Amino acid sequence: DGGITQSPKYLFRKEGQNVTLSCEQNLNHDAMYWYRQDPGQGLRLIYYSQIVNDFQKGDIAEGYSVSREKKESFPLTVTSAQKNPTAFYLCASSFSPPKDNEQFFGPGTRLTVL
Amino acid sequence: DAKTTQPPSMDCAEGRAANLPCNHSTISGNEYVYWYRQIHSQGPQYIIHGLKNNETNEMASLIITEDRKSSTLILPHATLRDTAVYYCIVRAMNYGGSQGNLIFGKGTKLSVKP
Repeated sequence: DGGITQSPKYLFRKEGQNVTLSCEQNLNHDAMYWYRQDPGQGLRLIYYSQIVNDFQKGDIAEGYSVSREKKESFPLTVTSAQKNPTAFYLCASSFSPPKDNEQFFGPGTRLTVL
Repeated sequence: DAKTTQPPSMDCAEGRAANLPCNHSTISGNEYVYWYRQIHSQGPQYIIHGLKNNETNEMASLIITEDRKSSTLILPHATLRDTAVYYCIVRAMNYGGSQGNLIFGKGTKLSVKP
């Protein structure tokens, strides 16, 4: 089945540790996105990539890093520089403009930093 | 910041139509209206989008006022599974760079009751 997967569903880390969240898609989408969601809030864009080996900062990129070495994969690293990393992280993908009317979202990773 | 205003919550009886309003009084001529929904602890799901004409698909109908300053998402026969947060988003077409990114506000929490 085609889709977008994120792993793990729940992740716990100690403060000061870097952690990498996985996002994989087999939809043949060119564009991929990372969002963060805090309780009771909407989604905020962290990073996005419209093509392999290229990515751009979103609205809240500080303390995060990404790579896009393969079309199917867009991992997000939450670094120790991120002051408040506990949140729900969502990955999405879409076709490139102008066919990007729909973003497909993964199930999310809930990160808790202790 | 989100360019839309939505009521924070609404209730709807199962089997009845759910009408979710959205105000986007500052919408530009090149911006579409998009609707997504997010069931609790899942990734958002695309519902529908439109520019100025009313649109209908298998999930919902979108009614956009003639001046395009507001719209209504209609779920014709709401079920318990339609309980979710519904996001109304305006987004540019023919964009470059970050102008086409989705900006999620807090949305409307729709509760469908038996």
